Amino acid sequence: EVQLVQSGAEVKKSGESLKISCKGTGYDFANYWIGWVRQMPGRGLEWMGIIYPGDSDTRYSPSFQGQVTMSADESISTAYLQWSSLRASDTAMYYCVSASNNGEGWYFDLWGRGTLVSVSS
Amino acid sequence: SYELSQPPSVSVSPGQTASITCSGDKLGDKSAFWYQQRPGQSPVLVIYQNSRRPSGIPERFSGSTSGNTATLTISGTQAVDEGDYYCQAWDSTTVVFGTGTKVTVL
Repeated sequence: EVQLVQSGAEVKKSGESLKISCKGTGYDFANYWIGWVRQMPGRGLEWMGIIYPGDSDTRYSPSFQGQVTMSADESISTAYLQWSSLRASDTAMYYCVSASNNGEGWYFDLWGRGTLVSVSS
Repeated sequence: SYELSQPPSVSVSPGQTASITCSGDKLGDKSAFWYQQRPGQSPVLVIYQNSRRPSGIPERFSGSTSGNTATLTISGTQAVDEGDYYCQAWDSTTVVFGTGTKVTVL
């Protein structure tokens, strides 16, 4: 079955670092872009960026450039999203998505179940 | 920055048609995509490239665009269609999501 399996919920404190993961199964992970989408409590969807696991080509949303780091290890079909110093405002659900491009832009045709990150101040 | 506006809420009776609009500058010149997010669940792509349905999405979901507006239509709305709906487009180098619409089936 084609799916994206995300790591479990995290409870952290401000200033701590964090790395969450997303493992792709049932397809050729290295050759499909992976994206990350944030959803803050009670709020809408926000695109964070995308990464191509095959060569780690990464495109960040201007809103998240410098705030997070995306990476991938194609040998274990896993993508990562990490923070060096968390803030309370990072509290949110983070979705891993499979990104496709129809020549007119990116869209997300497969979503993980999300990783809930809670950060206390 | 590019923005996509949606009505905050839409109410519909079971079996009736729900229409959700998404407005953005020159949206008709872009591809619009739609996602359904049921309560407590991850979003699901229901329309891509303005009007195409992914496999497994019921035929009652359809999409269209005209001018600066994209529209998601749910025909014969069912209780399982309740949830939040988001439009999405691509602008220059950025993915933009709409503000979201809560669909309530009364």
